[in-house]
Amino acid sequence: DIQMTQTPSSMPASLGERVTISCRASQGISNYLNWYQQKPDGTIKPLIYYTSNLQSGVPSRFSGSGSGTDYSLTISSLEPEDFAMYYCQQYDSSPWTFGGGTKLELK
Amino acid sequence: QVQLKESGPGLVQPSRTLSLTCTVSGFSLTSYGVSWVRQPPGKGLEWIAAIWSGGSTDYNSALKSRLSISRDTSKSQVLLKMNSLQTEDTAMYFCARLGGVDDYFDYWGQGVMVTVSS
Repeated sequence: DIQMTQTPSSMPASLGERVTISCRASQGISNYLNWYQQKPDGTIKPLIYYTSNLQSGVPSRFSGSGSGTDYSLTISSLEPEDFAMYYCQQYDSSPWTFGGGTKLELK
Repeated sequence: QVQLKESGPGLVQPSRTLSLTCTVSGFSLTSYGVSWVRQPPGKGLEWIAAIWSGGSTDYNSALKSRLSISRDTSKSQVLLKMNSLQTEDTAMYFCARLGGVDDYFDYWGQGVMVTVSS
């Protein structure tokens, strides 16, 4: 199985700050990497698919990049609604696997 | 609009079989796949199984021997069965739609909590 390691596991940040969350795969995943946001009420929504494609309706302050084994999600300027959990997920090979999550907290 | 809603028993005894239903609306199961994902309390997400628009299926290898995923297109439902439940199977269970060309989960249900306890 492909292991997905997300860093950091938690991140205190301020409104307006630029933040980057990293995700490393245990082997190359050919850009088959998605990002999801989970709010405190449990609601999950997609942000980015296939490394860098923005899901419809997601603000342009979110962006994704990467290749090979290393990928990242960047939020250019934090808004209040962005404080949540973030997960990466690979779909290069079965079983699809998720990173352990990053909790973005208000500093 | 696209909606997915999970249903199932809130409490299941150890060693018993869990049956969950995902009822979808706003799209056809013959056009999109559906997957199940679970989340133990306070932990991360784990992919469980998927059924594609053509009816093919795939399972998490760690759980495969205990799982069965199927669908009833006439009822717009995807069914998940998991046998030999253990306390470690206590989790929120989500169903999610697979978004077309790319296998990402583009719509999610709100989830159903399943507790395994005697």
